[in-house]
This record gives sequence, structure tokens and C-alpha cells, in this order.
Amino acid sequence: QQQVKQSPQSLIVQKGGISIINCAYENTAFDYFPWYQQFPGKGPALLIAIRPDVSEKKEGRFTISFNKSAKQFSLHIMDSQPGDSATYFCAASSGGTSYGKLTFGQGTILTVHP
Amino acid sequence: DTAVSQTPKYLVTQMGNDKSIKCEQNLGHDTMYWYKQDSKKFLKIMFSYNNKELIINETVPNRFSPKSPDKAHLNLHINSLELGDSAVYFCASSQGGWATDTQYFGPGTRLTVL
Repeated sequence: QQQVKQSPQSLIVQKGGISIINCAYENTAFDYFPWYQQFPGKGPALLIAIRPDVSEKKEGRFTISFNKSAKQFSLHIMDSQPGDSATYFCAASSGGTSYGKLTFGQGTILTVHP
Repeated sequence: DTAVSQTPKYLVTQMGNDKSIKCEQNLGHDTMYWYKQDSKKFLKIMFSYNNKELIINETVPNRFSPKSPDKAHLNLHINSLELGDSAVYFCASSQGGWATDTQYFGPGTRLTVL
């Protein structure tokens, strides 16, 4: 059962544009929402994460927006660069009981054209 | 210095064979994980060990057996390989076993079963 749904599957953006990736979850016990970035041939790496007690978290050009009532969260990449081209995964977990078990979305392949 | 390393990087084998993938982390972390990434890039946790003790065991065929000789190593042994086992297998580690602990992934092992 897919508990975290991610869209779009692929995204093409021009350099300098804004990339937006959306995720929706079903399990109301989820209380930790990280985003991972994966370059071809590499393992995923943590990019940014949010807890549901805040509605937004920003780190440089990367921002997570979180809507608890809608059970949705999104990643915004401002001023997208060709070096941002990668696969992005949202994930979710329930910190108190899941011992680090992350449930991942299906991934979004981002391509930023120069 | 490689934080989480896996060997081999590529593994090509015939159906029915038994193979092992090794993982080592030099981060001093207490928890290690195995993930499977299928051809559609979907990431799913298989196992998690904390201080050599199994704490997560997803619905994985018992042909897959993880072994943790010490907390810096988590190896994955696969018996009677099947076509459907073809995937990229990632090892990861985190400081503790909590969901909010950042997970650091290895470079992956691409397994191809012919």
C-alpha cells in the first residue's frame, strides 16, 4: 500500500525557474517529513526535513511547505540550476514508533535546462 | 573518506545462485539499514539493525538474510536468486534508530539476475 504519493513523476524546468514537487500522505501518525536528493549512480542524501509543528522551512534555495489539514507537503526549489538535476524523494515517518522507518514517495526526476 | 561503503558495486549472476552484499560504515552510527530500489526508482526499506539487533523487518522473502557481525557492518545474503530480485540495493546508517536521525546512504549495489 502506497502511503506517500508524489507528483509529478518528471519535471523539466529552465534555469532560474521554480521547481515544485508535491507529496500527499495518508497516515495521520506521520510526524517527520524529509526530502532526499539522488544523483545518478549515487545513493540518496538528505536535503531538508520538516516537522508538522511548522508550516514552512527554508534552507537556501530549498523550501518545504507543509499543510497538515490537507496532509500535503511540497518542495520548492527557487532559481533552479542545472546542478539541481536529480531525482527527488519525499518521505514520511512516525518518529515515536517507527524506529527510523521511512516511507518514500515514488520519486520525481528533475531536469533543469541551461 | 567514504562514510558508508558497499561491495560490490555491480553484481551479475544467474537465477538460483546465492550471493552476498557487504556494507560498512565508519561514522560510528548505531543503526544500519538495507533498502531496495526497483527499476522505477521506488525505494523501500527491507531491514534495520540497531547495535546488531534486528529492529525492522519488512515483508521480505526469507531468502534474504541480513547479518550484522558488529555495529559497523551489515551484510545482506540472498539465497536462490530470482529474476525479481534485480534491483539496486542501498545500505544506510544513522546515529540512532529514531526516524528523525539523518540516514546516510551508500553508493548502492546494482544486482542483475539473469
